[in-house]
Amino acid sequence: GAVVSQHPSRVICKSGTSVKIECRSLDFQATTMFWYRQFPKQSLMLMATSNEGSKATYEQGVEKDKFLINHASLTLSTLTVTSAHPEDSSFYICSAGDRAPSEAFFGQGTRLTVV
Amino acid sequence: AQSVAQPEDQVNVAEGNPLTVKCTYSVSGNPYLFWYVQYPNRGLQFLLKYITGDNLVKGSYGFEAEFNKSQTSFHLKKPSALVSDSALYFCAVRTLPSNTGKLIFGQGTTLQVKP
Repeated sequence: GAVVSQHPSRVICKSGTSVKIECRSLDFQATTMFWYRQFPKQSLMLMATSNEGSKATYEQGVEKDKFLINHASLTLSTLTVTSAHPEDSSFYICSAGDRAPSEAFFGQGTRLTVV
Repeated sequence: AQSVAQPEDQVNVAEGNPLTVKCTYSVSGNPYLFWYVQYPNRGLQFLLKYITGDNLVKGSYGFEAEFNKSQTSFHLKKPSALVSDSALYFCAVRTLPSNTGKLIFGQGTTLQVKP
């Protein structure tokens, strides 16, 4: 199957700083990528849909100014958590698909801890 | 609204016994159904999907799932469980047939296989 690589796998940052998470499709082009947030032992919550070359579409209740998404190329989407606070600590996962109708392929996830 | 339900938070089985992880869905139109598995601090791995065709779908690692339209179910099964199958399992439905459609996840079911 297709490979989606997410980096970093773990990051610890101080409150008030910003953190960037990268999501790359390694062997296919992805016009659309998705960003999820997952709390411990809970399901994935879709945060936003990242569209190559255009603005991301955010789900209701997700602050677009706090969670900045950039999808500048067909193989890279980034999520930047700005002015991070401890409540932003979570597991963030990206996904992309390469063919329709297709399963989505997921990155390894990023464990963000804000101290 | 599209939704997916996994009624069991946890399923416990003995190694070698058959396992079933339940999933029901609610969609308008044709469902595009998926099962994923997640190991601790990892992204999701694709197991199998139902798009169209045979109701019994075979997937990775010996898993299979049966699509039942009348009961709106897509239960995950395996004839003989392994300890290494212990993980968190998610059922998901895609809102569109294409890979640009959102995935809606169930709550997740923790499978515990004991030796």
